[in-house]
Amino acid sequence: ETGVTQTPRHLVMGMTNKKSLKCEQHLGHNAMYWYKQSAKKPLELMFVYSLEERVENNSVPSRFSPECPNSSHLFLHLHTLQPEDSALYLCASSQGGLAVNEQFFGPGTRLTVL
Amino acid sequence: AQSVTQLGSHVSVSEGALVLLRCNYSSSVPPYLFWYVQYPNQGLQLLLKYTSAATLVKGINGFEAEFKKSETSFHLTKPSAHMSDAAEYFCAVSEPRGSQGNLIFGKGTKLSVKP
Repeated sequence: ETGVTQTPRHLVMGMTNKKSLKCEQHLGHNAMYWYKQSAKKPLELMFVYSLEERVENNSVPSRFSPECPNSSHLFLHLHTLQPEDSALYLCASSQGGLAVNEQFFGPGTRLTVL
Repeated sequence: AQSVTQLGSHVSVSEGALVLLRCNYSSSVPPYLFWYVQYPNQGLQLLLKYTSAATLVKGINGFEAEFKKSETSFHLTKPSAHMSDAAEYFCAVSEPRGSQGNLIFGKGTKLSVKP
């Protein structure tokens, strides 16, 4: 595997389900990000982890819970979601979390909440 | 606060024609600027970035962008469009200090290329 991978690629869940999204980066980076991409809206930064510590949480509802067990893996745990949470969830990584370094994105997980 | 405005949510050009995608930014300090491309069912891929070196930046696939401080713009151009350029393009800004490398994205411009 190379780059940034995300699983699953597609997920359909009911509002009472609990599921997790997984992201893995094979680039040796030490910063990882979760974004939400909804139709007709800019990408929304949800969480930032740098050196496995959460450094940013952009007022995301508590029904989204991130976890970063090591610098290569990032999870997004989902529970009691709402239909408006349906979106493409993108993971990204970068080196050093520095502004000058570009972020590398995974292909995303297309989430549908029924 | 930083922000990015991309004029035109949809742009359509003929194959072989000039591509011009507009991006204006707002930032309190000289920013770093990025253009990303997203093909259907894929994540974002970096096209090019400006990090305060040369104001004309060349990227992949024949794209380039020029940083114009006086106009607070970073428009993306390609002299001759190809069918494979059809995708969505995102401009993003990041401030050099204290931002943890966070990117602020525009809403995106979907490029269509007609044969």
